Amino acid sequence: DQQVKQNSPSLSVQEGRISILNCDYTNSMFDYFLWYKKYPAEGPTFLISISSIKDKNEDGRFTVFLNKSAKHLSLHIVPSQPGDSAVYFCAASDFNKFYFGSGTKLNVKP
Amino acid sequence: DVKVTQSSRYLVKRTGEKVFLECVQDMDHENMFWYRQDPGLGLRLIYFSYDVKMKEKGDIPEGYSVSREKKERFSLILESASTNQTSMYLCASSIPGRYTYNSPLHFGNGTRLTVT
Repeated sequence: DQQVKQNSPSLSVQEGRISILNCDYTNSMFDYFLWYKKYPAEGPTFLISISSIKDKNEDGRFTVFLNKSAKHLSLHIVPSQPGDSAVYFCAASDFNKFYFGSGTKLNVKP
Repeated sequence: DVKVTQSSRYLVKRTGEKVFLECVQDMDHENMFWYRQDPGLGLRLIYFSYDVKMKEKGDIPEGYSVSREKKERFSLILESASTNQTSMYLCASSIPGRYTYNSPLHFGNGTRLTVT
């Protein structure tokens, strides 16, 4: 059973608006969470991360929120740009391994 | 900048063949990983290694083996390829240390393997 789930396979957003990508996890021992972006025919690239001792981490247009009680994290992209169109994977670490969600394909329309 | 290089972008093999997927990283990372990516399933860990000659099974090791003879090189071996091993294979590495805490994975560009 997947320990990290991304329930939305796809998301379409207008350029300039906010994109919100969601991720749920089941293992309360996860202590570190990451988001990766993947373009076709390329490997995933690291985007942003958050430690379990924080509830928010911001890096430019990207903000990750962590709600430990709900075992939920989200990635906000503001403003969204066409170049953000990609597949986004969330991942969680339990100290020595990484577990990935199934990905959300984001399409930002010009 | 970290570079993880996978030797082949595309491979087509026949059922029953022995297949080698090679991965090299240039940043002296101790940790190396092999994942496969399938639609709707995300990235699933096949094997990982924390040091030379050291390996541990991931979540889906069946039908695979690995080799880590040198620190910079981690090979994935399909002993007898089957059609259900058709997939995108991704190699990754991370900074030295026994634990991967606070250490993002750096991925290669992947090898698209088709087994016919």
